[in-house]
Amino acid sequence: DTGVSQNPRHKITKRGQNVTFRCDPISEHNRLYWYRQTLGQGPEFLTYFQNEAQLEKSRLLSDRFSAERPKGSFSTLEIQRTEQGDSAMYLCASSLGFDGTDTQYFGPGTRLTVL
Amino acid sequence: DQQVKQNSPSLSVQEGRISILNCDYTNSMFDYFLWYKKYPAEGPTFLISISSIKDKNEDGRFTVFLNKSAKHLSLHIVPSQPGDSAVYFCASTVYNFNKFYFGSGTKLNVKP
Repeated sequence: DTGVSQNPRHKITKRGQNVTFRCDPISEHNRLYWYRQTLGQGPEFLTYFQNEAQLEKSRLLSDRFSAERPKGSFSTLEIQRTEQGDSAMYLCASSLGFDGTDTQYFGPGTRLTVL
Repeated sequence: DQQVKQNSPSLSVQEGRISILNCDYTNSMFDYFLWYKKYPAEGPTFLISISSIKDKNEDGRFTVFLNKSAKHLSLHIVPSQPGDSAVYFCASTVYNFNKFYFGSGTKLNVKP
């Protein structure tokens, strides 16, 4: 197992365009998390899935953001009508899902730049 | 509302000495605390954790101390090694809440 992978690693887009990121968790992990990290800050929680169910969304996740995890495997995060304020590192993490203190394993992130 | 704070953006320590990284939290409901280490171009990696029923947890060179009354935790690295140079994030959560709050990180530089 090679850990959590994220694609693409970098994305540059123009304001107003839609972008989609993909996260492939560690295969036996039931929980999948999305975070956003801006310069000089720690990761901020966006949303998480238990298998295919999206159980919580942060108020940071505006209507332009949508996340899916079909079949409880990989997940996608889509941002519609991107704004310059969306520029950030988007991190995905997965965990086994046995309890709330499972270790989260992070992917390398997707760096989004909105011009 | 920043519920977890790391007030030192950077720390420089000589190899072999002790590194002490600090973290404060405001939410008294938090009962589980973690430290992550992050190298450039990589995601954070889990380092050590502690639950609120303990005040100390050790793992090799790494020890985390929790002071619940002060809402403060610290990470001690002894002895520090150049390979420990990274950004360290503390994180807190309420057990089974599944939402983790991270501090802004402290960049540790261990000089040879």
